[in-house]
Amino acid sequence: DIQMTQSPSTLSASVGDRVTITCRASQNISSWLAWYQQKPGKAPKLLIYKASSLESGVPSRFSGSGSGTEFTLTISSLQPDDFATYYCQQYNSWQTFGQGTKVEIK
Amino acid sequence: EVQLVESGGDLVQPGRSLRLSCAASGFTFDDYAMHWVRQAPGKGLEWISGISWNSDTVAYADSVKGRFTISRDNAKNSLYLQMNSLRAEDTAFYYCANPAGYWGQGTLVTVSS
Repeated sequence: DIQMTQSPSTLSASVGDRVTITCRASQNISSWLAWYQQKPGKAPKLLIYKASSLESGVPSRFSGSGSGTEFTLTISSLQPDDFATYYCQQYNSWQTFGQGTKVEIK
Repeated sequence: EVQLVESGGDLVQPGRSLRLSCAASGFTFDDYAMHWVRQAPGKGLEWISGISWNSDTVAYADSVKGRFTISRDNAKNSLYLQMNSLRAEDTAFYYCANPAGYWGQGTLVTVSS
């Protein structure tokens, strides 16, 4: 089974900050990685697929990079609506999620 | 508009069974594999099962293997999850999801005596 290790688990930041979340896969998953945003009481929302492709309608301040085993989600300038929990997901072999990163107000 | 609507969640006693359903619309259902993902209260997302477009291939997380069964009916655009021998640790919101990133709103399963 493929394990996904996401860091940090919590991130305190201010509006306007550049934020980076990292996800590491236990084996090569090529670019079969997605990033989701989840707010309390809501289903996850797809932000990035295939490691770096921006889902339609998602603001361009979100970007993804990486391939193989190391991946990054970057928010270039954090906005009030971005305070949420973020998950990486591999879909190279079925699916596995990272543990999540809660982005909270500093 | 793509819609995934889960149903069947309930309060059940440990050891009992429950069947969840997911009704899909707005996309060609049999073009996609489908998945069940759960989230215990206050916890992260856990993929628990997936099924190929034609039901030929299924897979389960170790936490539910041997107790849960995934199935689908392409004629009815529906996905199912039969859950047997339920445990307290199965308490969670259960979501159906397709690989294009669409999710339902979730259905709550509570396992408690």
